[in-house]
This record gives sequence, structure tokens and C-alpha cells, in this order.
Amino acid sequence: DIVMTQTPLSSPVTLGQPASISCRSSQSLVSSDGNTYLNWLHQRPGQPPRLLIYKISNRFSGVPDRFSGSGAGTDFTLQISRVEAEDVGVYYCVQATQSPQTFGQGTKVEIK
Amino acid sequence: EVQLVESGGDLVKPGGSLRLSCAASGFTFSNAWMTWVRQAPGKGLEWVGRIKIKIHGGTIDYAAPVKGRFTISRDDSKNTLYLQMNSLKTEDTAVYYCVAGLGASEYDSWGQGTLVTVSS
Repeated sequence: DIVMTQTPLSSPVTLGQPASISCRSSQSLVSSDGNTYLNWLHQRPGQPPRLLIYKISNRFSGVPDRFSGSGAGTDFTLQISRVEAEDVGVYYCVQATQSPQTFGQGTKVEIK
Repeated sequence: EVQLVESGGDLVKPGGSLRLSCAASGFTFSNAWMTWVRQAPGKGLEWVGRIKIKIHGGTIDYAAPVKGRFTISRDDSKNTLYLQMNSLKTEDTAVYYCVAGLGASEYDSWGQGTLVTVSS
């Protein structure tokens, strides 16, 4: 199984400041079709997760442009350019390149 | 508007069975790969399994901890996804989410979840 490792696991941030989360996979996420199925999800307290970013860097419908994704192969990053209060919660990376699909442990973002 | 509504969660004894349903609306269900994801209390997300659409062979994949005990199925005529859970264990206690892949990824839209508690 592909292991997804996120760092940090907790990220206290100041409103208006940037935040960055790293996600590393134990093997390449490049699929046989040439795509890299690495997605980012956000889960607010008491809510189901929602999709933020798909295939490394594509913002999902309705996602603010302060969120961006980057990376390749085994190393990926989610960046928030200026954190807003509504951005608190837990962020997960998930790979859908290979079954079983696997999630990172989650990174909790909270306001300082 | 896309809606996914899970139902069927309950308190069940170890070794028991339960069937979860996910009623879908607002999109063409027969064109969507559907996934079950679970989240144990206070823990992270865990992939349970996924069913592809018929024209892609209707292939079903399962996570190792549930393979042989859980069965995913779909009824495209009823726009409903199912998760049959047998031989339940205490470690299956979780909120179970139904997730639809609508074209961007396999995680495009999520239901609110249904709680399954396995306890004697």
C-alpha cells in the first residue's frame, strides 16, 4: 500500500499569513495514464470533508484562489496564501492512483 | 444541486450485520464512480472501497480490513449506493461517508455521513 505522510500534523497560523502543508508518498503517484491522482481535502469541525484540489494543482469548483497545490512524483504541497478564519480544520491529502487509496494522517490548522 | 444522503447507521453487536444506503440526486448517478470512506471517532479518514460505473466494468475494490466482510453495490435505477457490512467488529465503529466522483476526482461530493457503532 502507498503510505501518505503529511507534515506538520499541527499548524498554528496567524490570520492573513500564509500556511503550507507537505504530503509525501512512499512511491510515485504517476499513473499509467500519465496523470497524478493526488487530491487535497478540507474538513471543518463537525462537517464532512470537501474537495479543495485535484490532480496536484487544480482548484475544485468554488474553492478560493488563495488555495494552491503543487508538486510531482512523491512530494506535494498545499499552500494557503493568506489564512482566513474559515480555513481552520483538518487538511488531508489522498492518493487515488493505486488501490487501496490512502489518506495522509491529516494536518490540523488553527488560528494563533 | 448534488445531494448524497446516507442512512442505515445504528448500534450493532460484534458479529452483527448492517446495510447502509446512500440516496443520490442532482447528478447522473449511473455516470459516477462511488466511494465509501469512514472516519472513526476522533481519527482520520479511511478508504473503504469504490465501485466503478457499468461501462467501466462496474469494478469494485475494497480496503484490506473490510475485504470479505463488506460488499459495495449500486442500483442505478434507484440512484442508490449500498454498503452491506457483515461480521462487524468494534474497530468498524465510524462515521461512514458516501462520496461521488463527478468528473474532477473520485472525491468531488460528500454526504453528511451515518454513524455505525459496534459494541456489546
